[in-house]
Amino acid sequence: DGGITQSPKYLFRKEGQNVTLSCEQNLNHDAMYWYRQDPGQGLRLIYYSQIVNDFQKGDIAEGYSVSREKKESFPLTVTSAQKNPTAFYLCASSISGASALALETQYFGPGTRLLVL
Amino acid sequence: EDKVVQSPLSLVVHEGDTVTLNCSYEVTNFRSLLWYKQEKKAPTFLFMLTSSGIEKKSGRLSSILDKKELFSILNITATQTGDSAIYLCAVYLRGGSNYKLTFGKGTLLTVNP
Repeated sequence: DGGITQSPKYLFRKEGQNVTLSCEQNLNHDAMYWYRQDPGQGLRLIYYSQIVNDFQKGDIAEGYSVSREKKESFPLTVTSAQKNPTAFYLCASSISGASALALETQYFGPGTRLLVL
Repeated sequence: EDKVVQSPLSLVVHEGDTVTLNCSYEVTNFRSLLWYKQEKKAPTFLFMLTSSGIEKKSGRLSSILDKKELFSILNITATQTGDSAIYLCAVYLRGGSNYKLTFGKGTLLTVNP
């Protein structure tokens, strides 16, 4: 079945530790996105990538890093510089950020909940 | 700064009621407005709106966009407990060659039996 998978479902981070959240899609989508969701805050964009080997900062990129070495994969690293990492992280993908309007719908993975120990 | 504002932030109704959720926006380079339903985890896509005045409908849900007044509404008629969720509004923006969604904070809808 085609879709977006995120792992792990829950992740615990210790102080000063970097952790990496996985996002994989087999939808052949060009564009991928990472969002953070906090209670009462809606979804905020961390990073996005519209093509392999290229990515842009979103609204809250500080303390995070990404890579896009393969079309299918867009891992997010939460670094020790991110002082308040506890949140629900959602990955999404779309056919292309620059394609016809009707194709711009983003589809979301099931999310990873990150907690700080 | 681009803004998407949803109201109300939360709403409690009884089964069978009709609800209207609001989304207003102040953005540059508007391309489209999307509605999502988030029950427990991943938001699921409901509607994409690009043109003013054209209602999109799916079962008991419908939505319309007003690009002059910069808002959209999502209507749910004959609500059911399964409609309980967070409803997210997002606006697709173009910034140069880049495109991104800006989300509102969501409306938490609770439908009681």
